[in-house]
Amino acid sequence: DAGITQSPRHKVTETGTPVTLRCHQTENHRYMYWYRQDPGHGLRLIHYSYGVKDTDKGEVSDGYSVSRSKTEDFLLTLESATSSQTSVYFCARGRVDYEQYFGPGTRLTVT
Amino acid sequence: GQNIDQPTEMTATEGAIVQINCTYQTSGFNGLFWYQQHAGEAPTFLSYNVLDGLEEKGRFSSFLSRSKGYSYLLLKELQMKDSASYLCAVRGGGGGSQGNLIFGKGTKLSVKP
Repeated sequence: DAGITQSPRHKVTETGTPVTLRCHQTENHRYMYWYRQDPGHGLRLIHYSYGVKDTDKGEVSDGYSVSRSKTEDFLLTLESATSSQTSVYFCARGRVDYEQYFGPGTRLTVT
Repeated sequence: GQNIDQPTEMTATEGAIVQINCTYQTSGFNGLFWYQQHAGEAPTFLSYNVLDGLEEKGRFSSFLSRSKGYSYLLLKELQMKDSASYLCAVRGGGGGSQGNLIFGKGTKLSVKP
């Protein structure tokens, strides 16, 4: 257990619907991250947070928003899901200059 | 631009030694990480190098040459359970987003009996 959980673990949704993925950590780490992993692309950073209410964009942030109202929770929202957002989403926690620990992932399918 | 290259796939025999290479070109450098990822699971941390040289941790070792933009992960006494993808990641220099991890596409290692 890496002290980080994600929900839901699997989700199927329709194009155009909003989707929120949840990440919860128990280690009180300041930094949290959202990645997506696709075949042929590896892990790509969507958004990250460096504290409560402090967030910034990553490499592939278009179509995604995030919120962090508590240290332990980091939410990723797809405002209007598209088929190109079908992916496996990983949340991670960490401290600056140290390794990141990943959650178990959420497999999202947009039909 | 920023780029991390590693072989797509490798095959090795149980009990043997395998070396997975990683080359990188990034804006600044503040450490290189190796992760292991079994199919359908989350990446798990293996090793971290920030200075040149070899770091050894049991059957796994990782080497870094900052001047060459090069690292390798060495796996000894291969076991079937080592069949997984191995991800190379670099932390860029500076604060803010430059300190985030940039991942290579991963090397899928298959260990044969």
